[in-house]
Amino acid sequence: GAVVSQHPSWVICKSGTSVKIECRSLDFQATTMFWYRQFPKQSLMLMATSNEGSKATYEQGVEKDKFLINHASLTLSTLTVTSAHPEDSSFYICSVPGLAGVLYYEQYFGPGTRLTVT
Amino acid sequence: GENVEQHPSTLSVQEGDSAVIKCTYSDSASNYFPWYKQELGKGPQLIIDIRSNVGEKKDQRIAVTLNKTAKHFSLHITETQPEDSAVYFCADLGGSYIPTFGRGTSLIVHP
Repeated sequence: GAVVSQHPSWVICKSGTSVKIECRSLDFQATTMFWYRQFPKQSLMLMATSNEGSKATYEQGVEKDKFLINHASLTLSTLTVTSAHPEDSSFYICSVPGLAGVLYYEQYFGPGTRLTVT
Repeated sequence: GENVEQHPSTLSVQEGDSAVIKCTYSDSASNYFPWYKQELGKGPQLIIDIRSNVGEKKDQRIAVTLNKTAKHFSLHITETQPEDSAVYFCADLGGSYIPTFGRGTSLIVHP
């Protein structure tokens, strides 16, 4: 399966600043990547679908101007949390879908990035 | 998928016992059912999956069963070990390649 890395693994920033999180597919070219956020003891919530060479698709309720996604190459997608506030503190996880068959897609997740906004 | 219900939310067992986690889904188009294990502070990892044309799949101590008529699938872990302690998520996929996740089950294996 695909190997996915994220950087940084954790970050602490001050309220009002912006933070960029990188997601890399190390051995698999990914035209699509997904970004999730996860609050403590909760499930994964899909934020957006990152598309290489085009605009990201955001889920309902996710502010696209606040969570900027750039998918500049087949191996890199970035999520920038702009003007971060304490309520943006969360665990952010990216994933790469892999074609496991004609209709089925396995998901390969990154290790996650813990964001704490003070 | 549309909606996935997962039970229980917490499961505590003694080392060596079996653990069973159950999920139900509502989307008739769902045809792929993966299970993920998430350890504290890490991303989820796929541990086993099952496709709609199969009723059961086994991989060493873990197995998954699928009942398409009743729209439920289950994860079975036998001879549990402390390192099995983690949060387990079920998911389903239908026509899109975006999974719908259950709410997760925190499995605690006591030595």
